[in-house]
Amino acid sequence: EVQLVESGGGLVQPGGSLRLSCAASGFTFSDHYMDWVRQAPGKGLEWVGRIRNKANSYSTEYAASVTGRFTISRDDSMNSLYLQMNSLKTEDTAVYYCARQFAGGGYYLYYFDLWGRGTLVTVSS
Amino acid sequence: DIVMTQSPDSLAVSLGERATINCKSSQSVLYSSNNKNYLAWYQQKPGQPPTLLIYWASTRESGVPDRFSGSGSGTDFTLTISSLQAEDVAVYYCQQYYVTPCSFGQGTKLEIK
Repeated sequence: EVQLVESGGGLVQPGGSLRLSCAASGFTFSDHYMDWVRQAPGKGLEWVGRIRNKANSYSTEYAASVTGRFTISRDDSMNSLYLQMNSLKTEDTAVYYCARQFAGGGYYLYYFDLWGRGTLVTVSS
Repeated sequence: DIVMTQSPDSLAVSLGERATINCKSSQSVLYSSNNKNYLAWYQQKPGQPPTLLIYWASTRESGVPDRFSGSGSGTDFTLTISSLQAEDVAVYYCQQYYVTPCSFGQGTKLEIK
């Protein structure tokens, strides 16, 4: 089955750290750019960041709101995507989704054609 | 950054009637070299992740019912549901993937009247 499954969410204090994982199955993970998108409770969707594939040097990009605090990595041998979150703030409370970009080739950006079910991160004292 | 603005914020439509959601981008998302609009629509049902409905502004994703259609170009786009079904109750988001950061509209909540 083609799917993405996130894990690692939970309750963390402000200033703390958390590492999220996303396990991919049923497709060639290494072909795809992978992104993280978050959704605060009752709010809309906010892009967090992306990691490109090996052909594009695993380059990363981040939203301004998380730059310097969050790091995205991947392990193609394990079909896994990661989000290391440091210096967490209360405003980082959200469901975090991993999302697959359509593998259209080149250095272009594409739409998200597969989403995981998400993992909830709560930052609170 | 490109700002995506949807209208209306919420919408109530009778079963079998047409629903129309608009999306406006703060700058064009039409890439001139391939004449494609880098605009997608997603549906998010309560308690579920988003799912892709439409990409390139007007191409339906595989498995999406043909009552869903997308139109528009440049900065103005529309998602139309031709005959609303009960299972279409959801929040709908437009998204531009023309530039980084990609950005989403604020969402339109669609309900049954």
